[in-house]
Amino acid sequence: AQTVTQSQPEMSVQEAETVTLSCTYDTSESNYYLFWYKQPPSRQMILVIRQEAYKQQNATENRFSVNFQKAAKSFSLKISDSQLGDTAMYFCAFMKPGNQFYFGTGTSLTVIP
Amino acid sequence: NAGVTQTPKFQVLKTGQSMTLQCAQDMNHEYMSWYRQDPGMGLRLIHYSVGAGITDQGEVPNGYNVSRSTTEDFPLRLLSAAPSQTSVYFCASSSPLGGSGNTGELFFGEGSRLTVL
Repeated sequence: AQTVTQSQPEMSVQEAETVTLSCTYDTSESNYYLFWYKQPPSRQMILVIRQEAYKQQNATENRFSVNFQKAAKSFSLKISDSQLGDTAMYFCAFMKPGNQFYFGTGTSLTVIP
Repeated sequence: NAGVTQTPKFQVLKTGQSMTLQCAQDMNHEYMSWYRQDPGMGLRLIHYSVGAGITDQGEVPNGYNVSRSTTEDFPLRLLSAAPSQTSVYFCASSSPLGGSGNTGELFFGEGSRLTVL
């Protein structure tokens, strides 16, 4: 069975600062994908970034980047130059072949002006 | 481009009532799934489908039924609503990996908030 753990239920960061959200997972699969989704107060789920397990290079999307440590089964999200619009719930997700997704319990991030 | 459309967005039921949450996608995705979101528990998979005519149970299937008669539609039925089914429900779809440009990304509907009294 796959499990995804987000150990930080809540975090806060000053506007323009950098914050890192943690995620660990447990799997016996060798081929899988990892995602970070953002859920703002509007409730809409928005893809932030994805990482293929077979790629060693960490994914980046503008101010968002990941630190993927496959051996440690760790997949953290770094948000640089935090903006007020980054305030949201962030979910880490694991996908195995067959498109079955497993989600963490989420980290509520508040950006403080 | 509508993406994934869920209806209704809000619903209040009494214990024992039945209802159907509708989900439709216009992206020709093979995979469709239903999740429920509860505070402190993330998103949990209820049922999923890998194509028309094929459905399977997820992590928390009890009390729910699904069917997939077409590629586009994947309704979720609550047979006899219970207060424990008070939650926010999300329908999602995706394409299988390997196709041109397919990233496996899940596309979500806007969610349906269900309250069972």
